[in-house]
Amino acid sequence: EVQLLESGGGLVQPGGSLRLSCAASGFTLSSHAMTWVRQAPGKGLEWVSSISGGGGTRYYADSVKGRFTISRDNPKNTLYLQMSRLRAEDTAVYYCGRDPRTLTGYLNIDSWGQGTLVTVSS
Amino acid sequence: QSVLTQPPSVSAAPGQKVTISCSGSNSNIRNNYVSWYQHLPGTAPKLLIYDNNKRPSGIPDRFSGSKSGTSATLDITGLQTGDEADYYCGTWDSSLSAGVFGGGTKLTVL
Repeated sequence: EVQLLESGGGLVQPGGSLRLSCAASGFTLSSHAMTWVRQAPGKGLEWVSSISGGGGTRYYADSVKGRFTISRDNPKNTLYLQMSRLRAEDTAVYYCGRDPRTLTGYLNIDSWGQGTLVTVSS
Repeated sequence: QSVLTQPPSVSAAPGQKVTISCSGSNSNIRNNYVSWYQHLPGTAPKLLIYDNNKRPSGIPDRFSGSKSGTSATLDITGLQTGDEADYYCGTWDSSLSAGVFGGGTKLTVL
């Protein structure tokens, strides 16, 4: 059974940093592109970042470019999102998701984690 | 302001059919695959349709997707109260080099 489990969320002050993790099980992580999606309170889904199966290709939303870094450790079956210079508008539930394809350049998330809440507030 | 445009809400009676539209542009919907997701608050979103019109295993054939030009559509027939949720379309935008979602449509089954 495919499972994705996010962790690392919490309360952080504006300007601070946080690293989210997504532990994958039930499939070979390197065979799949992975994506982070967030949902701010009362808002819709927002694509944040995607990374190819091998990690060589990464894309970011303009709203996080230069502040967030997506990475993966395939032998450890884990996806990461390093978030820095956090702003109040980054407050959201962050979901990791699996794409059935290895390459990026698609938005097709066939498995999702339950999400982890990030709150940016002083 | 979302790159993809969806109606904020739709409603219909149990057993009826509802259509949710998703409007985009050449750089996203026309030239890339569209997917659709069902999202209940507090839960993980669920993939309903991928590659414009394909259903993952386990998704009933009451859910169907189509695409024409710069627009895509999700049809839900035989509505059930359990279908009440938020529905999102999504695709890749080749000009932005980014994934994009619609603003979401809240389905109410009256």
